[in-house]
Amino acid sequence: GIQVEQSPPDLILQEGANSTLRCNFSDSVNNLQWFHQNPWGQLINLFYIPSGTKQNGRLSATTVATERYSLLYISSSQTTDSGVYFCAVFSNFNKFYFGSGTKLNVKP
Amino acid sequence: EPEVTQTPSHQVTQMGQEVILRCVPISNHLYFYWYRQILGQKVEFLVSFYNNEISEKSEIFDDQFSVERPDGSNFTLKIRSTKLEDSAMYFCASSGPMNTEAFFGQGTRLTVV
Repeated sequence: GIQVEQSPPDLILQEGANSTLRCNFSDSVNNLQWFHQNPWGQLINLFYIPSGTKQNGRLSATTVATERYSLLYISSSQTTDSGVYFCAVFSNFNKFYFGSGTKLNVKP
Repeated sequence: EPEVTQTPSHQVTQMGQEVILRCVPISNHLYFYWYRQILGQKVEFLVSFYNNEISEKSEIFDDQFSVERPDGSNFTLKIRSTKLEDSAMYFCASSGPMNTEAFFGQGTRLTVV
């Protein structure tokens, strides 16, 4: 199967700081999505981004499929950004492969 | 915005009991999935379902598990005889044509006691 590695595993930020989360994957993929898991355990779709760059408010994401990585940028972080961020990739094998996540804690 | 709906949000069951977790995928989607996440761990694939049959399953998805789409709208996961280690958050997901964006439900937290 495809290996998905996320870094860093843990991140502590002061409110207002910026951060970059990284997702590396081991093989060609057809789909890549970023999720935020909130404190209640729900997986919230952030980006569907198999390639290119997208922005949504303070968040943006870039996937360079040829180099097998994706980046999630969080600018001007807020305490509500806290939680776990997952990257998941989809190949032709009918399933998503999830990374282990980056646990973000934004302190006021 | 369309969403994937799961019920119940939380279920507590005794070891050995059968449970059925329910999901209503987005109405025009074709591909359906179940995933689970043991507390503090990775999200793990269980099974994918397309055209009324299982298209792929993981080694976790043994004979104790089954899936069904009984009425064209609901998508269910049944665990026949629950074990303590089945305690986890279970997520249902659906997507349109292959490789398009997948949407996840809010999850069912299953606690086996």
